[in-house]
Amino acid sequence: GESVGLHLPTLSVQEGDNSIINCAYSNSASDYFIWYKQESGKGPQFIIDIRSNMDKRQGQRVTVLLNKTVKHLSLQIAATQPGDSAVYFCAETGEDSGGGADGLTFGKGTHLIIQP
Amino acid sequence: KAGVTQTPRYLIKTRGQQVTLSCSPISGHRSVSWYQQTPGQGLQFLFEYFSETQRNKGNFPGRFSGRQFSNSRSEMNVSTLELGDSALYLCASSFVGYGYTFGSGTRLTVV
Repeated sequence: GESVGLHLPTLSVQEGDNSIINCAYSNSASDYFIWYKQESGKGPQFIIDIRSNMDKRQGQRVTVLLNKTVKHLSLQIAATQPGDSAVYFCAETGEDSGGGADGLTFGKGTHLIIQP
Repeated sequence: KAGVTQTPRYLIKTRGQQVTLSCSPISGHRSVSWYQQTPGQGLQFLFEYFSETQRNKGNFPGRFSGRQFSNSRSEMNVSTLELGDSALYLCASSFVGYGYTFGSGTRLTVV
């Protein structure tokens, strides 16, 4: 089946540095992408999303880039803080022909570790 | 605005039993989807409901079922529990397929 994947299971960065987490997807029909942050014992927390008609979207300290040509998604976190330590997942979905949702397909996650 | 509420938070069941989990979506959201999270398989889509109708189903056996009520609340049921069903079960509510918001999940342990 088609899936969304992340390149690195673990990413270690220095506090204050910028972090970049990457994701490759294979379903060319996907038109909506989301990044989630999951802390231990909690459900995934919505960070930022992007539609397929956009290349870039910015939030507070986060930027998502979408390259549809190579089916690549990235999450950039500026000035990484200790509270950013978590597992980050990318997810994708597409609207079905009836206008309902297909459900999310998740990548395997990247554990972001912040070094002091 | 209240978030997605899942109950119970924790459950311990014995092999062969059945279990029902509940999810109350964000007010105004009509779509609820369910996911299973395990260390080995990650987050996997179970099924999605929209206006009381199952719209899509993931690759899980028929022991996994669900339903949605007229107030958009959803339940999922797992019958004849197996040890491998131990997982964190998450539900997400969305507004017509966008802005999926997750609950804290139900941690199911099968012994």
